[in-house]
Amino acid sequence: EAGVTQFPSHSVIEKGQTVTLRCDPISGHDNLYWYRRVMGKEIKFLLHFVKESKQDESGMPNNRFLAERTGGTYSTLKVQPAELEDSGVYFCASSQGLAGVYEQYFGPGTRLTVT
Amino acid sequence: AQSVSQHNHHVILSEAASLELGCNYSYGGTVNLFWYVQYPGQHLQLLLKYFSGDPLVKGIKGFEAEFIKSKFSFNLRKPSVQWSDTAEYFCAVSPYSSASKIIFGSGTRLSIRP
Repeated sequence: EAGVTQFPSHSVIEKGQTVTLRCDPISGHDNLYWYRRVMGKEIKFLLHFVKESKQDESGMPNNRFLAERTGGTYSTLKVQPAELEDSGVYFCASSQGLAGVYEQYFGPGTRLTVT
Repeated sequence: AQSVSQHNHHVILSEAASLELGCNYSYGGTVNLFWYVQYPGQHLQLLLKYFSGDPLVKGIKGFEAEFIKSKFSFNLRKPSVQWSDTAEYFCAVSPYSSASKIIFGSGTRLSIRP
């Protein structure tokens, strides 16, 4: 069974540019989560999809971040325009059920560097 | 606000030494508790979890953790570490009231000297 995949693995962009990160969850997992780790800090929750609906987006830092999950399969996270403080590793995770009951399986992360 | 505190940023041990990584959380309600591990170049993976029942939880690779409710703690232990345990370890909680998210600690980097 394929795990959670993320693309790209690394992205280096200039401040003000746009970047789109992609996550493909494990097949059949209705729940998809985005997290971010800024260097040296904790991994922080960004948002949670159930199928194509946003269940919880309380962790999204501001309106420069837009997440979508059209059709309830893969998800994209767009940052527009990117700022220096957006640099970090963006993780995606998926699960069959809610975090408290089912294990979340994590992808390898996308390392975003904004210069 | 809910938070998770890991006591040590970087721990260095020799092989066969015993390990205990501290973790405390701040949340007054019912929580699920986790330890995740990220080996070099690999994905985050679940080491062990506590939902209810026996507060002493056993995980993969000989790790265990003890939930002490009165201390809001969930410390990770291993009696004898191996070089292959070199990794970053994350304590995490998922509050029942907001079961969609996992709240992570800042991580503890464990280095094992062969």
